[in-house]
Amino acid sequence: AQTVTQSQPEMSVQEAETVTLSCTYDTSESDYYLFWYKQPPSRQMILVIRQEAYKQQNATENRFSVNFQKAAKSFSLKISDSQLGDAAMYFCAYVNQGAQKLVFGQGTRLTINP
Amino acid sequence: DVKVTQSSRYLVKRTGEKVFLECVQDMDHENMFWYRQDPGLGLRLIYFSYDVKMKEKGDIPEGYSVSREKKERFSLILESASTNQTSMYLCASKQGGGFLETQYFGPGTRLLVL
Repeated sequence: AQTVTQSQPEMSVQEAETVTLSCTYDTSESDYYLFWYKQPPSRQMILVIRQEAYKQQNATENRFSVNFQKAAKSFSLKISDSQLGDAAMYFCAYVNQGAQKLVFGQGTRLTINP
Repeated sequence: DVKVTQSSRYLVKRTGEKVFLECVQDMDHENMFWYRQDPGLGLRLIYFSYDVKMKEKGDIPEGYSVSREKKERFSLILESASTNQTSMYLCASKQGGGFLETQYFGPGTRLLVL
């Protein structure tokens, strides 16, 4: 079975600085997708960014980018120019090609210090 | 915008009560999901449904059942609530069967079983 591990329960960063959240996963599959979801204090979970495993190029969405290392099974999220609105719980998630079930990591709570 | 709503934000029930958690989505999505979220464990899938009256067990279905009589509504039922079912419950929906499709989440229901 696939597993997703987020080893940092909490992280904090100064406003305007850069922070990286770690995620590793375990799978024997070759075709899969990875996601980062954000859950602000209001609790509505939203998709931040996603990465197709077959693509070598790292995904980028404005201030959010990923470092996808397929051989190492690592999928970290970098947030540049951190803003107060980035404070949230961040979840890394995995899905096999052809599957419906997302497998989530334990989550990392990110605090932004003004 | 996709909207996923859940019937209650907070709910307090007594052990042994039958509990209904309702989820409604307004975008004609085929797939709907119920997760529970616990600190340090991330999100775990309880049940999902890929069509009306169709359901599949997730990773932790014990103690729960579901109902999908209409496409837009997916109900989670705790037949006899127990204290270990105190948790945050999140509903999600997505369009189609593609694994790349984004899941849209509701705001969550925090359930306390006394």
